[in-house]
Amino acid sequence: QVQLVESGGGVVQPGGSLRLSCAASGFSFSSFGMHWVRQAPGKGLEWVAVIWYDESNKYYGNSVKGRFTISRDNSRNTLFLQMDSLRAEDTAVYYCAKEHSQILGRVTYYFDSWGQGTLVTVSS
Amino acid sequence: EIVLTQSPVTLSLSPGERATLSCRASQSVLSSLAWYQQKPGQAPRLLIYDASNRATGVPARFSGSGSGTDFTLIISSLEPEDFAVYYCQQRFNWPTFGQGTRLEIK
Repeated sequence: QVQLVESGGGVVQPGGSLRLSCAASGFSFSSFGMHWVRQAPGKGLEWVAVIWYDESNKYYGNSVKGRFTISRDNSRNTLFLQMDSLRAEDTAVYYCAKEHSQILGRVTYYFDSWGQGTLVTVSS
Repeated sequence: EIVLTQSPVTLSLSPGERATLSCRASQSVLSSLAWYQQKPGQAPRLLIYDASNRATGVPARFSGSGSGTDFTLIISSLEPEDFAVYYCQQRFNWPTFGQGTRLEIK
């Protein structure tokens, strides 16, 4: 079955950087787009970024554009999120999520499998 | 940005009852809407996509309907494991989520 395991969260000062990882298994990772979605403590969900199966396209939510970078290593079945210039409002649980589309190259922006999440806290 | 407004904020029902959850979009999203279930300490789970299609493994008691700006998730007969927070999400114009409806045991 699909398994997504995030890591790399922690406490970081405002203005700092952090790199999250998501190890995928149980499906053909290199065939699917992947997303990051976050959830501030006690709050709702916010889409962060998407990357196409072959890294040909990457898109970001307005609140992270220019500060976060999504990438992947298909040889290692791993998704990444590089977070720079972190702000207090970036504090959240970060989930990696698998794209729902079964069609190679298509991204539906529906999320059909999720990891357990990793907590990022931005605080001085 | 398309804003999704869910109602009610909290819904108190008993097992066996029918639950009706609503989601309204600030502009038409056609049928580009999904529903997710989230239990405490867990990740969300995809229930419904494209307004009315059940995701793999989702019980038939969950059904979705609607198009344009008004959408509904119905749980026909509540099971104990259905009490959770439910979110709608649109994909018509960059993904956004509603604020959630908490379904609690009465």
